[in-house]
Amino acid sequence: AAGVIQSPRHLIKEKRETATLKCYPIPRHDTVYWYQQGPGQDPQFLISFYEKMQSDKGSIPDRFSAQQFSDYHSELNMSSLELGDSALYFCASSLRGFGGELFFGEGSRLTVL
Amino acid sequence: QKEVEQNSGPLSVPEGAIASLNCTYSDRGSQSFFWYRQYSGKSPELIMSIYSNGDKEDGRFTAQLNKASQYVSLLIRDSQPSDSATYLCAVHGAQKLVFGQGTRLTINP
Repeated sequence: AAGVIQSPRHLIKEKRETATLKCYPIPRHDTVYWYQQGPGQDPQFLISFYEKMQSDKGSIPDRFSAQQFSDYHSELNMSSLELGDSALYFCASSLRGFGGELFFGEGSRLTVL
Repeated sequence: QKEVEQNSGPLSVPEGAIASLNCTYSDRGSQSFFWYRQYSGKSPELIMSIYSNGDKEDGRFTAQLNKASQYVSLLIRDSQPSDSATYLCAVHGAQKLVFGQGTRLTINP
């Protein structure tokens, strides 16, 4: 079965640079979520989209932005990167109305040097 | 107070024994409850979901929910070394899924 696809899997950037992460949800899933997980931390909710509209916002820094496109894929844009942005970034998708079960992608590991 | 709290761990259990993981949540309006398993450096993997009070069994896993006490637990019977992972309790409220801090479980052969 198709799963959530994230790219790139690994990304290395310098401080103050910009990074873009992509997420392709499971086909027919209408909701996409972004989570950030630092070393030894639980996943922290960043932002979610339902039917291409932002539906909820968590602890996403102002330097970050995200959107969901017409084909339901989503991109997380991170600017003015800081060392503390180094983390695993997970995208998850779900089908609203089906109990809230989220299915996660493999994650994108961002390292800021 | 964190929205979702888990027993801090780490938890060490001998192989074949029962592992018990606990979680409390603060939002009384929460309707959906999940347990995810996460191996180091990997993504969370859904292992159990529960929506109503009582027990739900799936193989060696049993989830228990008590909405009055705002408590959800996971029991793993006949623990195997492959069960060694971090277990994340997650509660769905409003439009997002909120995770607990995770309990690291080690099964000793």
